[in-house]
This record gives sequence, C-alpha cells and structure tokens, in this order.
Amino acid sequence: DSGVTQTPKHLITATGQRVTLRCSPRSGDLSVYWYQQSLDQGLQFLIQYYNGEERAKGNILERFSAQQFPDLHSELNLSSLELGDSALYFCASSVMGETQYFGPGTRLLVL
Amino acid sequence: AQKVTQAQTEISVVEKEDVTLDCVYETRDTTYYLFWYKQPPSGELVFLIRRNSFDEQNEISGRYSWNFQKSTSSFNFTITASQVVDSAVYFCALIHTSGTYKYIFGTGTRLKVLA
Repeated sequence: DSGVTQTPKHLITATGQRVTLRCSPRSGDLSVYWYQQSLDQGLQFLIQYYNGEERAKGNILERFSAQQFPDLHSELNLSSLELGDSALYFCASSVMGETQYFGPGTRLLVL
Repeated sequence: AQKVTQAQTEISVVEKEDVTLDCVYETRDTTYYLFWYKQPPSGELVFLIRRNSFDEQNEISGRYSWNFQKSTSSFNFTITASQVVDSAVYFCALIHTSGTYKYIFGTGTRLKVLA
C-alpha cells in the first residue's frame, strides 16, 4: 500500500459526460501528479500540482482540468468525454518529486 | 531529448530461470534519477528502486538486482530465480532534478513467468 488513495476505482460513463477523479496524497507529500495509461499511448504525464499551485503540464487535453485543494487532495476533471479517454488514470504523490508513489488508479470506461 | 527505451515488449521464462529486463535512456542532463516500477495484473504501480546519476553502484535486494552503467546509458534489472508472482509489466522511468519532476516512462516489458 503506497499510502495514496484514489476514488473511485472504476467508472463507467457515456460519451459527452463529465467525471471527477479524486486523489488523496500520502501524509506529508505536497506534490500531486496525474498520469494517464492507455493501450496506445502508454503512461503519459498529465499535470503536476505542488502545495495548491500548478507546476507543470504535460499531454493534458483542454477538456481536462485539475486542481489541488488546501488539504492537498486533488481532483482531475474530465469533460466532454470521448471513447478514446477510456484509460487507467493514476495519481502519484511525493515530497518534492524524486520518488513518486502511485495510487491504485481509477479505471475509466467511456461507452 | 529525454527518452526511455524498453526494447523487450514481452518476455516469457520458466520459473526459477533468471531474467534481465533492459532499459536504455537518453538525456542531456548530468543530474537525473532512474526508476523501476512493477505493475502486477491488479494494475497498481509499485515502486522498486531509485538511482541517481552520480551513483553507479549496483544494487541487490533479495532476488532483484540492478545494473546502472552511464557509459552505455543503461539501467538493467535482473530477477534471479524468477517466480510466478514476478509476472507483471515492468516500467523504467527517468526524471531530471531541475525543473519539473515529470516522469518519462518507457513502454514497459511484460514478464510472464510460467510454472
């Protein structure tokens, strides 16, 4: 158990819908990262937050957004969902960044 | 450009065999970290090891060992006396210590250990 929690574990929704994925980092970790794992793209970095502020953006679509709250939990919002958004979404946390500990992931299926 | 290459897409071995997973990386930075993660069938990503660019000492942890060679930009992972529970996808990753800490992951190697 990495200490990072993610909810929900599974999510099934329809195209065009909006969903919110939640992540609670390990106690004491200020950085939160979001990654997408899909069959065709592999593991891709989406976005990083550090102590509530956005630090870095990767291959994140404009339809996706994230935020980190004062209690350090983070949410990833995915809107106007498409079939291709079906993937495993991971959250990771770290103190500064060198070693990231990953949550169990949220498996999203868009039908 | 930063890149991690895991050329072996899938490896099958029989239990108790030794197996080496290859990882080759590209970076222009002198300071960076390399990682190995395991992703078992259940899906989570499990941290195995971190190595910084200034430490080329090989490391052994039980049946696992890692060989880091800067001269060949490689960070290979060997499992000795493999077991069925080692069946998983293994990812190699790279980050730099300056700027953002986003991981650059390899495409992973699927290891199947047959009983």
